[in-house]
Amino acid sequence: DGGITQSPKYLFRKEGQNVTLSCEQNLNHDAMYWYRQDPGQGLRLIYYSQIVNDFQKGDIAEGYSVSREKKESFPLTVTSAQKNPTAFYLCASRIFGGPAGELFFGEGSRLTVL
Amino acid sequence: AQKITQTQPGMFVQEKEAVTLDCTYDTSDPSYGLFWYKQPSSGEMIFLIYQGSYDQQNATEGRYSLNFQKARKSANLVISASQLGDSAMYFCAMREGVGETSGSRLTFGEGTQLTVNP
Repeated sequence: DGGITQSPKYLFRKEGQNVTLSCEQNLNHDAMYWYRQDPGQGLRLIYYSQIVNDFQKGDIAEGYSVSREKKESFPLTVTSAQKNPTAFYLCASRIFGGPAGELFFGEGSRLTVL
Repeated sequence: AQKITQTQPGMFVQEKEAVTLDCTYDTSDPSYGLFWYKQPSSGEMIFLIYQGSYDQQNATEGRYSLNFQKARKSANLVISASQLGDSAMYFCAMREGVGETSGSRLTFGEGTQLTVNP
């Protein structure tokens, strides 16, 4: 079935460690996104990519890095520079040209820093 | 300034009744799109309904309808005949601009937690 797969679903990290969250989509979507959600709050945009080998910073990019080497993959690295990384991370994708252009989301990855 | 405002942190409704979740937005772009998403406790985001700024009629999708009042910059979600499974967090979101690559960013409100009581 087509969709967006995020892994791992749960991740624990020690302070000072980098961690990479995986996001893969087989929907042939053009654009991919990473959002962060803190408890009881809305989603904030970290990074997004509209084409392969290109990406743009969102509203809270500091302490994060991404790559887009393949159309179907958009991994997010949470670096040790991110001061408060404990959060729920959601990956999304979108196809261009649709009437609404809504985002399709993965099931999320919950990162906890110990 | 907040682009999307949801003023109801929590709402309660009796099963089978209708409920309205409020959303106001702020943009100077004449072209924009408004979205509603549902987030159950499992965490996934489920797309519910879309309204384009140039759409003449209010959008409807099954039990969901969007009460779009352009002059007031509001896009309230109406859920008719509430069901227990409707209990979830609901987010309003906006995309500014049109075109294939423009307006790629979606800005979300802080959400409304809806509880449907039996």
